[in-house]
Amino acid sequence: GENVEQHPSTLSVQEGDSAVIKCTYSDSASNYFPWYKQELGKGPQLIIDIRSNVGEKKDQRIAVTLNKTAKHFSLHITETQPEDSAVYFCAASLNTGFQKLVFGTGTRLLVSP
Amino acid sequence: GAVVSQHPSWVICKSGTSVKIECRSLDFQATTMFWYRQFPKQSLMLMATSNEGSKATYEQGVEKDKFLINHASLTLSTLTVTSAHPEDSSFYICSAEYAAGPAPVGNQPQHFGDGTRLSIL
Repeated sequence: GENVEQHPSTLSVQEGDSAVIKCTYSDSASNYFPWYKQELGKGPQLIIDIRSNVGEKKDQRIAVTLNKTAKHFSLHITETQPEDSAVYFCAASLNTGFQKLVFGTGTRLLVSP
Repeated sequence: GAVVSQHPSWVICKSGTSVKIECRSLDFQATTMFWYRQFPKQSLMLMATSNEGSKATYEQGVEKDKFLINHASLTLSTLTVTSAHPEDSSFYICSAEYAAGPAPVGNQPQHFGDGTRLSIL
């Protein structure tokens, strides 16, 4: 089955700096790659996603890149703000009629003012 | 606003009690719902896939007689933790996959609830 690895496990940056989180997946048939932000005591919230037919996607300060050959994808957050502090999860999915997501291990991002 | 409602948000009960958690899709139909478990500082682990009108599909290592799932309507799935013990204490999260009805904002395949924190004493 699919296996998703995520690095780093923790990331501390100063406000205004950029943050990059990387994930690798094992199943080359996976075709959907979402990123979730989870705040304490809450469920995960989708912040950006990318499908396998696209190499890069951007939404304001957030961008995701996908390298299908290397089977890795990354989340880029620019101009970080303290409210970006949370746990971020990547996931991979193979669309087999419904989306069964396999999550990465999570990255705890701390943005210091 | 929230598109998936999970209830209760937290529950504390004695060992041996059975606990039911509800997951509702608001304003849209969900033929498929997913149940996850998350231990502190860990990732979400899929427990089972719930399909309306049929038996749930459980992931390897998840006891189906321990975690009863019922998906009786297109907007409601329930997870019952039977004879709960302290090791069942965890954060349980559901998600609903949009199938029909007014499309929720975001056009994403799965919409997550805010989770249920279960503590067994």
